[in-house]
Amino acid sequence: QKEVEQNSGPLSVPEGAIASLNCTYSDRGSQSFFWYRQYSGKSPELIMSIYSNGDKEDGRFTAQLNKASQYVSLLIRDSQPSDSATYLCAVKGGDNQGGKLIFGQGTELSVKP
Amino acid sequence: DADVTQTPRNRITKTGKRIMLECSQTKGHDRMYWYRQDPGLGLRLIYYSFDVKDINKGEISDGYSVSRQAQAKFSLSLESAIPNQTALYFCATSDPVHLGVLTFGAGSRLTVL
Repeated sequence: QKEVEQNSGPLSVPEGAIASLNCTYSDRGSQSFFWYRQYSGKSPELIMSIYSNGDKEDGRFTAQLNKASQYVSLLIRDSQPSDSATYLCAVKGGDNQGGKLIFGQGTELSVKP
Repeated sequence: DADVTQTPRNRITKTGKRIMLECSQTKGHDRMYWYRQDPGLGLRLIYYSFDVKDINKGEISDGYSVSRQAQAKFSLSLESAIPNQTALYFCATSDPVHLGVLTFGAGSRLTVL
């Protein structure tokens, strides 16, 4: 089992719809969770971080964390073509992982006009 | 100037050649990382360094070595390159407080023929 798993996609949604991106992780000691966005040919950039169970909203983005289910998600409301990118889930491992950041394989999102 | 600079940006080499990818940063961060990105596999950690005297292996360190010449410089070497090391390589930095918040370089695309 991979430490951090995402659906590879591609996920295709129409403009204006809600895009839902999901991520599961295996290390129950993980405390910090991140979503990075990577445009084609570019480097990843951080868009959201979440540390506590529940929802965290930032503009059109909402991160959701459920530690009991070891599940993190990212919702993008009112999706725009400019949101088309690969979204990488990242989990900071527990102390036995030396605090390393482990990435999932990424989900490619395509927003159609 | 970019906060994290990688050189070269693109390199084509032959099997068996020694290759060095260089990374320098102006963020003042202690922590530096080398990741490799392959299609469908996300970012995989090769090596990371928490300070000049602290270097650690990541998930996929075989065939690679690193050198932390100074706080601001972290180099990745392929002693004898092989075709399956063809990939996009990213250097990243973080500060000790915000370990999951990585600042990435623009990437170095390496092709081994």
